[in-house]
Amino acid sequence: DSGVTQTPKHLITATGQRVTLRCSPRSGDLSVYWYQQSLDQGLQFLIQYYNGEERAKGNILERFSAQQFPDLHSELNLSSLELGDSALYFCASSGVGATTGELFFGEGSRLTVL
Amino acid sequence: AQSVAQPEDQVNVAEGNPLTVKCTYSVSGNPYLFWYVQYPNRGLQFLLKYITGDNLVKGSYGFEAEFNKSQTSFHLKKPSALVSDSALYFCAVRDSGTYKYIFGTGTRLKVLA
Repeated sequence: DSGVTQTPKHLITATGQRVTLRCSPRSGDLSVYWYQQSLDQGLQFLIQYYNGEERAKGNILERFSAQQFPDLHSELNLSSLELGDSALYFCASSGVGATTGELFFGEGSRLTVL
Repeated sequence: AQSVAQPEDQVNVAEGNPLTVKCTYSVSGNPYLFWYVQYPNRGLQFLLKYITGDNLVKGSYGFEAEFNKSQTSFHLKKPSALVSDSALYFCAVRDSGTYKYIFGTGTRLKVLA
C-alpha cells in the first residue's frame, strides 16, 4: 500500500459529460502529480501541484483542470468527455523536501467513456 | 526537453536467466533516474533510483540498474529472473532543473517457466 488513495476506482460515463477524480496523497506529502495512461501507451504527465500551487504542467487538455486543496487532497476535473479520454488516471505524491525523491502512486481511476 | 526511450516493447526471458530491460534518456541538466514496475490493474511501484554516486544502483526484489553517463543509459538488470517478475516496467527521468517526471512507454517483461 503506497498510502496514496484515489477515488473512484472505476467510472463509466457518456460523451459530453463531466467527471471529477479525487486523490489523497500520502500523509505529509505536499506534491501531487496527475498522469494519464491510455491503452498501449505510457504515462502522460498532466499536471503537478505543490502545497496548493500549480508547479508544472504537461500535456493537459484545456477541457481538463485540476486543483489542490488546503488539506492537500487534489481533484482532476475532466469535462466535455470524448471517447479518447477513456484511460487510467493515476495520482502520485512525493515527500516534503524530497526534490530527488521517488513518486508514490495510487491504484488509479479507470475512466470509460461510452 | 527531457525524454526517455524504452526501445523494447517486450522482453522474453527464461526463468533463472539474467534479464535486462533497456532505457535511454535525454535531459539538459543532471538526470534523476527511476525504475517502476506495474502489475495488472495496479499502480506503479518504485524499484530503484539513481541520483548521484555509485553508477550501480541496487533496488527492490533483487533488481539493479547501471547508470552510464556517456551512453545516457540506465538499464534495469536482474541476475536470475523469476516468473513472478513478469510485469510492465517503466523507466522515468527527471531533469534536476524541473519538477517533471517523464516516463517511458514501458517494457513488458515475460519470464517463461
